Amino acid sequence: DGGITQSPKYLFRKEGQNVTLSCEQNLNHDAMYWYRQDPGQGLRLIYYSQIVNDFQKGDIAEGYSVSREKKESFPLTVTSAQKNPTAFYLCASRGGWGHEIDRSTNEKLFFGSGTQLSVL
Amino acid sequence: AQKVTQAQTEISVVEKEDVTLDCVYETRDTTYYLFWYKQPPSGELVFLIRRNSFDEQNEISGRYSWNFQKSTSSFNFTITASQVVDSAVYFCALSGPMNRDDKIIFGKGTRLHILP
Repeated sequence: DGGITQSPKYLFRKEGQNVTLSCEQNLNHDAMYWYRQDPGQGLRLIYYSQIVNDFQKGDIAEGYSVSREKKESFPLTVTSAQKNPTAFYLCASRGGWGHEIDRSTNEKLFFGSGTQLSVL
Repeated sequence: AQKVTQAQTEISVVEKEDVTLDCVYETRDTTYYLFWYKQPPSGELVFLIRRNSFDEQNEISGRYSWNFQKSTSSFNFTITASQVVDSAVYFCALSGPMNRDDKIIFGKGTRLHILP
């Protein structure tokens, strides 16, 4: 079945450590997104990528980095510069803009099941 | 700038009651899209509905209905005859005209408790 896979489900970070959250999709979607969810804050956009080898900062990009070397993969690294990393992280993807566009797919986000990151 | 406001942080109703979740949005785009997502305790967001700015017809899907009013910039969501399984966090979201540079902006969510 097509979908988005996030791993691990739970992750613990030590002080000064960088950690990487994985996000893989087999939906052939062009666009991928990372959101952070804190209690009472809703979803806030960290980074997004509309095409391979290109990505843009969202609203809270400081302390995070991403790469988009493959269409299927959009890993998020939480660096030691992110002083308050404890949160639930959600990855999402959205369809493409090519001739094969399916509007019903393009016009909504598909989400992974999330990664809960905590600090030791 | 785009903004989505869900003023209700948390709502509790008794099973079988109707409940309406409010969503107010701000945008300068003439073409835009509005969404509702459900987040059950498992964490994954589930798509419920998409509405574009040119379609103001209200929509009903089973016990769910949506009321889109451009005049008040609102896109409210009503659950009729609520059930315990409806307990979740519900997010309203907004996007521009869906070109390459568009982001989808979410509200802070409304946590809905359906009491048995």
